[in-house]
Order: sequence, then structure tokens, then C-alpha cells
Amino acid sequence: DAGVIQSPRHEVTEMGQEVTLRCKPISGHDYLFWYRQTMMRGLELLIYFNNNVPIDDSGMPEDRFSAKMPNASFSTLKIQPSEPRDSAVYFCASNTDRDLNTGELFFGEGSRLTVL
Amino acid sequence: QKEVEQDPGPLSVPEGAIVSLNCTYSNSAFQYFMWYRQYSRKGPELLMYTYSSGNKEDGRFTAQVDKSSKYISLFIRDSQPSDSATYLCAMTPGHPLSGGYNKLIFGAGTRLAVHP
Repeated sequence: DAGVIQSPRHEVTEMGQEVTLRCKPISGHDYLFWYRQTMMRGLELLIYFNNNVPIDDSGMPEDRFSAKMPNASFSTLKIQPSEPRDSAVYFCASNTDRDLNTGELFFGEGSRLTVL
Repeated sequence: QKEVEQDPGPLSVPEGAIVSLNCTYSNSAFQYFMWYRQYSRKGPELLMYTYSSGNKEDGRFTAQVDKSSKYISLFIRDSQPSDSATYLCAMTPGHPLSGGYNKLIFGAGTRLAVHP
């Protein structure tokens, strides 16, 4: 399996622009997670889906952030409008019930976002 | 105060040294503990998973949990340059899947450099 695939790997944009990050989970995984990693705050869970349904979005910082999972093989995280403080590495992770017994998450390589 | 505290390092050691990485936590409900390894520009990957107090060994790696002190450790024996990475501890208050998914709480990570 190719693993969790994220795009773009790097994005540089200007404040106020819309940013869309994309994720393709591992085939057969029914959980999908969006995390954000910064030096100051470490790795934070933004939102997670189970069977394409958003279960917990309490980590989404504010209304500028939205996430969708239209089908089992694709999810997006959108920021509109973007701000410099959104600069971070955004990770997507996926898993199944069986592997979550060990707390294991399979992470993508991340999307590094810089907002100028 | 953060729920999980981890010294960010960096920690620099010579090849062959024994490395000790640590996390402290404040929530006595945490029961499941994991260590993730993150190479530069990559996503985290699960290294070890433990439940309850005691030691768990896997090759050169030993995970130790002391619930009475709210303290967990990861020891790396005979460290190698390939061990150079950021190590993140993570934990959940219950079984990862009891009553729905229990979110992993991550430490900020300790950056380790093993030099030849």
C-alpha cells in the first residue's frame, strides 16, 4: 500500500488567500484524522472522521477552518481566509478499529503551510 | 500546565550511548502510553505501545511506565545515527477505542541527534 498520501507537500500563500489541503487515506481505513504540528503547540488533533462522518471537530481553531470527507478515499482541510498564525505542518492520519487498539495512527508526510 | 510535558532537547549523544527520553503527565486517568518516532520532514510512526506500569522491551528499545510518579521513559541502547529523530510520547485516558475513540494526547517531542 502507498500509505497516506497528502498534497501539496509545501504551500506558500499570502494572508487572506484560501488554502486547501488534501488527503487520501490508506484503503480500507475507516478513521481519518487531521493534525497540526507547530513548535509552540506540538501535535494537535483538529478533527477526525469515522466512516466519512465528522465525529469530533473540537480541535478546529475557528470558523476559518473546515474539513470534509466526501468519500472513503478523500478528505480536504480548508482554511479561508488564511492568516500567518496558520503556518504549520498539517498531517493527515488514518486507521482501522483493529489497529487503534494499540493507539497506532498511520501518518502521511504532511503539508507544510507558510502564510506570509 | 500542559497535560503532557516533554523536554524538547535537542539531545546530542555519541554513537553507542544509552539514551533516556522522558515524559511526565498530570492526568492520572492516562492508562495507555505510546512512543512515536518522527524523522525530519516525515510523519510520526508508532515505535512502542504499553499499558499499565512496568517495562516493555523491543530490540534496543525499552519503554517504562511509572504510574505512581506519572512518568514514562524510552530507553535506547547502543544508539545509532539512524536513531536521530524526534521522539514523541502519546497517551490516552482509556483504551483507545473504549466508548468511542479516545484521542491521543501528544508530548511536544524530544529531538535526538546521534553522531558517529
